[in-house]
Amino acid sequence: QVQLQESGPGLVKPSETLSLTCAVSGGSISTRPWWSWVRQSPGKGLEWIGEIYQSGSTNYNPSLKSRVTILLDKSNNQFSLKLTSVTAADTAVYYCARNGDYCHDSWGQGILVTVSS
Amino acid sequence: EIVLTQSPGTLSLSPGERATLSCRASQSVSSRYLAWYQQKPGQVPRLLIYGASSRATGIPDRFSGSGSGTDFTLTISTLEPEDFAVYYCQQYGPSPLYTFGQGTKLQIK
Repeated sequence: QVQLQESGPGLVKPSETLSLTCAVSGGSISTRPWWSWVRQSPGKGLEWIGEIYQSGSTNYNPSLKSRVTILLDKSNNQFSLKLTSVTAADTAVYYCARNGDYCHDSWGQGILVTVSS
Repeated sequence: EIVLTQSPGTLSLSPGERATLSCRASQSVSSRYLAWYQQKPGQVPRLLIYGASSRATGIPDRFSGSGSGTDFTLTISTLEPEDFAVYYCQQYGPSPLYTFGQGTKLQIK
């Protein structure tokens, strides 16, 4: 059974870049076409950030598009998230997830990222 | 953007009772594109239903989904103690590709 695990800094300073990695284990990342990032904050609930396809093609939430980059690293069976110019509003639990049939059928445990100086 | 509105915000019921949770979309959503998740405190969202009515792997048959167009329903036929949680609906559609409802908290009465 596939497992996803997020990693990265739990504390990021305002105006800096948030960088997270999602390691996929128990199966190849190539077995599913799309992989996503989702975040959850008390003020905004669950928010889809974006997704990446096997080819490297991406789709982003328009509300974050100018600041988000998602990359795929097939050789290491992982994908990553970069969010630039962060503010306190970006404080949230960040999840990586595997896309199913127009849904997310497997999720990582989540990582709390706090934006604070 | 399609906005999903869930009701009620909080539902208080007892184990053994039937729960009916609503998700209303601001525009018509294809049934193929509507999913439901369960999230317990401190835990990860878990996919329950996809395609409006298909149960995900390992989900007990007391959970069922229905609906079409703008109105969708998650029903839990007989509540078990472990079913008390927050439930979210999600749709796939126009940009942004995925949006979630604000959640319904199902609590023990």
